Amino acid sequence: GAVVSQHPSWVICKSGTSVKIECRSLDFQATTMFWYRQFPKQSLMLMATSNEGSKATYEQGVEKDKFLINHASLTLSTLTVTSAHPEDSSFYICSARDGVAGEQYFGPGTRLTVT
Amino acid sequence: GENVEQHPSTLSVQEGDSAVIKCTYSDSASNYFPWYKQELGKRPQLIIDIRSNVGEKKDQRIAVTLNKTAKHFSLHITETQPEDSAVYFCASRDSNYQLIWGAGTKLIIKP
Repeated sequence: GAVVSQHPSWVICKSGTSVKIECRSLDFQATTMFWYRQFPKQSLMLMATSNEGSKATYEQGVEKDKFLINHASLTLSTLTVTSAHPEDSSFYICSARDGVAGEQYFGPGTRLTVT
Repeated sequence: GENVEQHPSTLSVQEGDSAVIKCTYSDSASNYFPWYKQELGKRPQLIIDIRSNVGEKKDQRIAVTLNKTAKHFSLHITETQPEDSAVYFCASRDSNYQLIWGAGTKLIIKP
């Protein structure tokens, strides 16, 4: 199947700093990428949908000024958590869709810990 | 919008027995239903999917059934093995091509 990479796999940062997470589709072009957050023992929560070359669409309750998403190319989307706080600690997973009606492939996730 | 409900939240079965996880959806326009398996700390992995023009699909020990009239679909795992222990998520793709996720089922295989 298609491969989606995510970097870093884990990161520890201090409260108030910003963290950037990269999501790349390695062997296909992804016009649409998704960013999820998953807390322990819970389902995936969609944060935002990003389409290449346009602004991301954020889900209700997700602060777009805090979670900056950039999808500058067909193979790369980035999520920047700005002014991170301990409550932002979570497992962040991206996914990329292969075509409009194609399958969604997930990245390996990034474990963010804010101290 | 689409709503997906998944049951049970936890399922414990004896090794070798079958496991069934059920999901219901609300949007009759939904036409694609994938199932994902997620092991602790890892990404969800697509294990099987079904489209609305098919009633059943099987892949070795895993099968999925779809009842469009009742708007429910189920995951069946036969001859369960310890490596089947994981969290399983169903999803439904709505008319905007967004995946709407179930809450997940923690499957425990008892030796």
